[in-house]
Amino acid sequence: DAGVIQSPRHEVTEMGQEVTLRCKPISGHDYLFWYRQTMMRGLELLIYFNNNVPIDDSGMPEDRFSAKMPNASFSTLKIQPSEPRDSAVYFCASSLPGNYGYTFGSGTRLTVV
Amino acid sequence: DQQVKQNSPSLSVQEGRISILNCDYTNSMFDYFLWYKKYPAEGPTFLISISSIKDKNEDGRFTVFLNKSAKHLSLHIVPSQPGDSAVYFCAAKAWGSQGNLIFGKGTKLSVKP
Repeated sequence: DAGVIQSPRHEVTEMGQEVTLRCKPISGHDYLFWYRQTMMRGLELLIYFNNNVPIDDSGMPEDRFSAKMPNASFSTLKIQPSEPRDSAVYFCASSLPGNYGYTFGSGTRLTVV
Repeated sequence: DQQVKQNSPSLSVQEGRISILNCDYTNSMFDYFLWYKKYPAEGPTFLISISSIKDKNEDGRFTVFLNKSAKHLSLHIVPSQPGDSAVYFCAAKAWGSQGNLIFGKGTKLSVKP
C-alpha cells in the first residue's frame, strides 16, 4: 500500500495566482480530510469528505478556498486567489469508518510570495 | 480558545530514560484521544489511542494514561530511544464525530544518546 499520496510536495507561487493541491487517499478509505499546519494555529481541519461527499467545511478559511472529491481516489484543494497568509503545510489524510487513527500524507508545503 | 493544549513545546531526555509528554483538554464531550508522532518533512503518524472509558492503554514501549476528572492525558515512552526524537501531537475526538480531530500544537521530543 502506497499510503496517502499528495502532490506537489512543494509549491511556490506568487500572490494572486491559483494553487491546486492534490490527494490520493488509501484505497477503500471512506473518509478524506484536509488539514493545514501553521506555526500560529497548529494543525487545523479545513474540510472532510465521507464517500466523496463534503460533510463539514466549517474550517475552510474563506471563499478563496474550495475542495472537491470527484471520485473515491482523488481530491483537490484549490486556493484562488492565493495570499501570503496561505503559506503553510497542507496535509491530506484518510481513514476507514470508526478508525480515528487517520493516515496522513507527507504534505504539501505552500509558499505564497 | 485551544481545546487541546500541550504546554511544553519541547522536552529533552536521555536515552534509556522515561519520556513523559502531557496534554490537557477542556471539552468534556471528547470521548477518544490519540497520540501522533511526526518526523520532519513527513505527515503525522498514528501512535496510540485511548477511549474515554479506559484510563490506560499500553503498546510496547508506549503507554497512554487518561485522567478524565483532571481532563489530562499523558504519553509515557519507556525506555526512550534516539529514534523517538520527533514532534508528538495529542489529538481528541468529540462523541458522535468521525471527523474533526482536534490537535494540540505538539511537543518536540529530543532523546540524547
